[in-house]
Amino acid sequence: GENVEQHPSTLSVQEGDSAVIKCTYSDSASNYFPWYKQELGKRPQLIIDIRSNVGEKKDQRIAVTLNKTAKHFSLHITETQPEDSAVYFCAASIRRGAQKLVFGQGTRLTINP
Amino acid sequence: SAVISQKPSRDICQRGTSLTIQCQVDSQVTMMFWYRQQPGQSLTLIATANQGSEATYESGFVIDKFPISRPNLTFSTLTVSNMSPEDSSIYLCSVLEGTGGTEAFFGQGTRLTVV
Repeated sequence: GENVEQHPSTLSVQEGDSAVIKCTYSDSASNYFPWYKQELGKRPQLIIDIRSNVGEKKDQRIAVTLNKTAKHFSLHITETQPEDSAVYFCAASIRRGAQKLVFGQGTRLTINP
Repeated sequence: SAVISQKPSRDICQRGTSLTIQCQVDSQVTMMFWYRQQPGQSLTLIATANQGSEATYESGFVIDKFPISRPNLTFSTLTVSNMSPEDSSIYLCSVLEGTGGTEAFFGQGTRLTVV
């Protein structure tokens, strides 16, 4: 079935450095790729997304890139800050009947001061 | 974005009992989704709740264990039946909004512990 692979599962970076999280997806019909941030005990929050007609999207310190040919997309966080520490999930849309999202396994990002 | 209210926020239940989780949205939505998030894990879709028709369950989830109601376009319930410790998890409801109805927003979740 459709699946999304996410790497790494944990990532630790120094404050101010950049962090990159990568995902690959299996369904070539997927056309929407969101990223969610989940802080401890909180609900997942949408932080950025990209659609298949775009190769890159940026929002301040966060950017997402998409390579449709290779079926992978990445989240880039620059100038990391302690409040960036959280679990990040990528997802890809699938359409089996209704539109749905399949989530990656998550990356626990820790920013070291 | 839609405001999604879920209750209870947490509960501790005895094995063999059932718990019904409620999800209320402040706007009408066509589909509502129920996810399970086991400790330290990702989000797994349980089922899609459709107003006016039976819920659609994902592989590995069955109606007898997770009955769902969707009486109107703003409300849904998920029941976890005949609970066992393996059902201890966070359960989240979700709706789709935004351009093309693709952006998922989540309720605050229900943290269930079965003892």
